[in-house]
Amino acid sequence: QLQLQESGPGLVKPSETLSLTCTVSGGSTSSDRHYWGWIRQPPGKGHQWIGSIYYNGNTYHNPSLKSRVTISMDTSNYQFSLRLRAVTAADTAVYYCARHRRIFGVGPIDSWGQGTLVSVSS
Amino acid sequence: QSVLTQPPSASGTPGQRVTISCSGSSSNIENNYVDWYQQLPGTAPRLLIYSDDQRPSGVPDRFSGSRSGTSASLAISGLRSEDEADYYCAAWDDSLGGYLVFGGGTKLTVL
Repeated sequence: QLQLQESGPGLVKPSETLSLTCTVSGGSTSSDRHYWGWIRQPPGKGHQWIGSIYYNGNTYHNPSLKSRVTISMDTSNYQFSLRLRAVTAADTAVYYCARHRRIFGVGPIDSWGQGTLVSVSS
Repeated sequence: QSVLTQPPSASGTPGQRVTISCSGSSSNIENNYVDWYQQLPGTAPRLLIYSDDQRPSGVPDRFSGSRSGTSASLAISGLRSEDEADYYCAAWDDSLGGYLVFGGGTKLTVL
């Protein structure tokens, strides 16, 4: 059964870079049937898609975050990563890694990590 | 605020049928599939409906989805106490180069 697990610091200082890694088990990150993505949910609020990556390295980003986001993939280690630069308190959220089905591109999310809370504070 | 609009709350009694709406625009719902997620407190979301009206394996047929024009709906029939959760719609938006958008969520209370 597919499992995704986020890892990374739970506390980041303002203006610094948030870095998270998602480790995938029970499935392949090299499949052309899926995209791999990051979604966040600020406390008490709805979800925001950050971006996603395909097995060939093509990336897709939320235009509101694109200038600060890098998503990369390490298929040999079944991992993909998120880097969000110049963070502020508004970036405090639960960050989820996820797998999308490929349906006309970035499709529905059929598997989610458990989520990790990242707080931005000095 | 969210690109897709959902009512913040909905409620029903056990056995009832409840519908949750999701309103969008020509750049998202009118021309793209809608997906629905269920999120229980303290847990990750779960895919409930995809491509407007398709259920992943394991999702009871009490849950159904539909899309018409710039709106979509999730219907839950035979409401059960374990259905109490937050429900989110999502769709691809073709503006600004394309990106995935979510609704703000609807908290369903089973009275």
